[in-house]
Amino acid sequence: EAQVTQNPRYLITVTGKKLTVTCSQNMNHEYMSWYRQDPGLGLRQIYYSMNVEVTDKGDVPEGYKVSRKEKRNFPLILESPSPNQTSLYFCASGDFSYEQYFGPGTRLTVT
Amino acid sequence: AQKITQTQPGMFVQEKEAVTLDCTYDTSDPSYGLFWYKQPSSGEMIFLIYQGSYDQQNATEGRYSLNFQKARKSANLVISASQLGDSAMYFCAMREDTGGFKTIFGAGTRLFVKA
Repeated sequence: EAQVTQNPRYLITVTGKKLTVTCSQNMNHEYMSWYRQDPGLGLRQIYYSMNVEVTDKGDVPEGYKVSRKEKRNFPLILESPSPNQTSLYFCASGDFSYEQYFGPGTRLTVT
Repeated sequence: AQKITQTQPGMFVQEKEAVTLDCTYDTSDPSYGLFWYKQPSSGEMIFLIYQGSYDQQNATEGRYSLNFQKARKSANLVISASQLGDSAMYFCAMREDTGGFKTIFGAGTRLFVKA
């Protein structure tokens, strides 16, 4: 089954404790992206990647890191999470045509 | 600057009627794509329809059609014959094709379908 998976689905953590949210796709897509969703703001792009070892900043990259060492994986790293990073996070992948396939989302709470 | 505006925070429609969700955009890139996604209460993002900036005809996918007016920079979603299952949040999005595939989303419109 073609899908984008994210782990964990839910995470509660404390300020400053490094965390990683994994994202993996099995569709051989070159394009992958991370978004955060906050009420009233829609989805905002954090980072995206057009290929292995190629990443670019979206609109809200501050406080986040990504890496793309393999085509299928695109982890999101929060080196020192803060409460303003409490949000719903989505990973997505696509093949440059148009449709992006979204993962199920990761709900992160930073206390 | 790249911008997407959805001016309707919430809308009601009677079951079986048509509804139009508004979306306006701003970009200086001549090549771009416009998308609509549906997000039901369960939270997943579901792709509905796509329109390329060079497409001559309006996109259609089943009960969904995109009313693309390039000169006015609008990309409204039309849902025909609304169903109760259409109640959800709807997001308009744009991707500029030059210099990367950065994508921006509007704030969304919550649609309520009444029986």
